[in-house]
Amino acid sequence: GAVVSQHPSRVICKSGTSVKIECRSLDFQATTMFWYRQFPKQSLMLMATSNEGSKATYEQGVEKDKFLINHASLTLSTLTVASAHPEDSSFYICSAYSGASPFFGPGTRLTVL
Amino acid sequence: QKEVEQNSGPLSVPEGAIASLNCTYSDRGSQSFFWYRQYSGKSPELIMFIYSNGDKEDGRFTAQLNKASQYVSLLIRDSQPSDSATYLCAVNESGGFKTIFGAGTRLFVKA
Repeated sequence: GAVVSQHPSRVICKSGTSVKIECRSLDFQATTMFWYRQFPKQSLMLMATSNEGSKATYEQGVEKDKFLINHASLTLSTLTVASAHPEDSSFYICSAYSGASPFFGPGTRLTVL
Repeated sequence: QKEVEQNSGPLSVPEGAIASLNCTYSDRGSQSFFWYRQYSGKSPELIMFIYSNGDKEDGRFTAQLNKASQYVSLLIRDSQPSDSATYLCAVNESGGFKTIFGAGTRLFVKA
């Protein structure tokens, strides 16, 4: 299957810090990438759709000013959690389509103290 | 609100048995359906996708789709302890690539 990478895999930061997470498609190009968040024992919740060269589309209830998305190239999308707070602690996962199926990155576990 | 429903489980089966996982969805126009396996603390891993009514087999896994009933299932034959994980059903919204996930079913395979 296609390979999607994320960096970093784990972040621990203080409250008020901004955290940037990168999502890369390694062996294919992705004009669209998706960002999900998963709290413990819950399913993946789609946060936003990242579109190369244009603005991201956010799901209802997701603050666009807090979760900043940039999709600057066909292989890279970044999610920045601005001024993170403890309630933002979660598992953030990106995905991209290769062919007809979405493949997921390994995820980034964010812990805000 | 488009939804994907799964029984949260846990579903417990003995080693070697068939595990049957079920999923229903609300978007009648959906055309693409996926099953993912997720181990604790890890990202989802694609097991199978299915687009057409009927069965699709891949090794020990069989996906079944019934669009009229808005129902998709996954059968795991000869279940192994390593199959113990959460299985996520995912459905693409009609007309797009947005994927909606069910809450997942936890499967335990007892040795």
